[in-house]
Amino acid sequence: DGGITQSPKYLFRKEGQNVTLSCEQNLNHDAMYWYRQDPGQGLRLIYYSQIVNDFQKGDIAEGYSVSREKKESFPLTVTSAQKNPTAFYLCASSGQGLYGYTFGSGTRLTVV
Amino acid sequence: AQTVTQSQPEMSVQEAETVTLSCTYDTSESDYYLFWYKQPPSRQMILVIRQEAYKQQNATENRFSVNFQKAAKSFSLKISDSQLGDAAMYFCAYRNNAGNMLTFGGGTRLMVKP
Repeated sequence: DGGITQSPKYLFRKEGQNVTLSCEQNLNHDAMYWYRQDPGQGLRLIYYSQIVNDFQKGDIAEGYSVSREKKESFPLTVTSAQKNPTAFYLCASSGQGLYGYTFGSGTRLTVV
Repeated sequence: AQTVTQSQPEMSVQEAETVTLSCTYDTSESDYYLFWYKQPPSRQMILVIRQEAYKQQNATENRFSVNFQKAAKSFSLKISDSQLGDAAMYFCAYRNNAGNMLTFGGGTRLMVKP
């Protein structure tokens, strides 16, 4: 079955450490997105990519970095510059037309 | 830029009753798509229903239906015969015809009382 996979489900980061969240899709979607969600809040766009080897900053890109070397993969690195990284991170992909987004199941990142 | 507004941060409904969640949006486009997503406590985002702006007929999926008022730029979600499993955050989203990025509203938390 086609889908989008995020890993790990839970991730713990020490202060000053970089961590990378994985997002893989086999839907042949061109566009991929990373969102941050704080408790009880909505979705805030971190980065998005419309095509391989190209990506754009979203509303809250500071302290994060991404790459898009393959169509299927869009990893997100939370750097030590992100001062408050504890949150739930959602990855999504989309094709054209009526179908909206397909979401991954999310990664819960906690700073310890 | 398009904006999507959900004016009800929280709603509650009695089990088996009907509830309507509000959503308004701002756009200068004439052709676009609208969506409702559900996020239960598992936090998995689930597509509930979608509507194409050029279609006048309101979309329906089982107990879920929308009231799409294009002139008023309103897209409300009606949940009939509410069930405990309907308790979740609900997000309204807009997408224009040219692109594939969604603009989300801030969400409405729905509580279902037994």
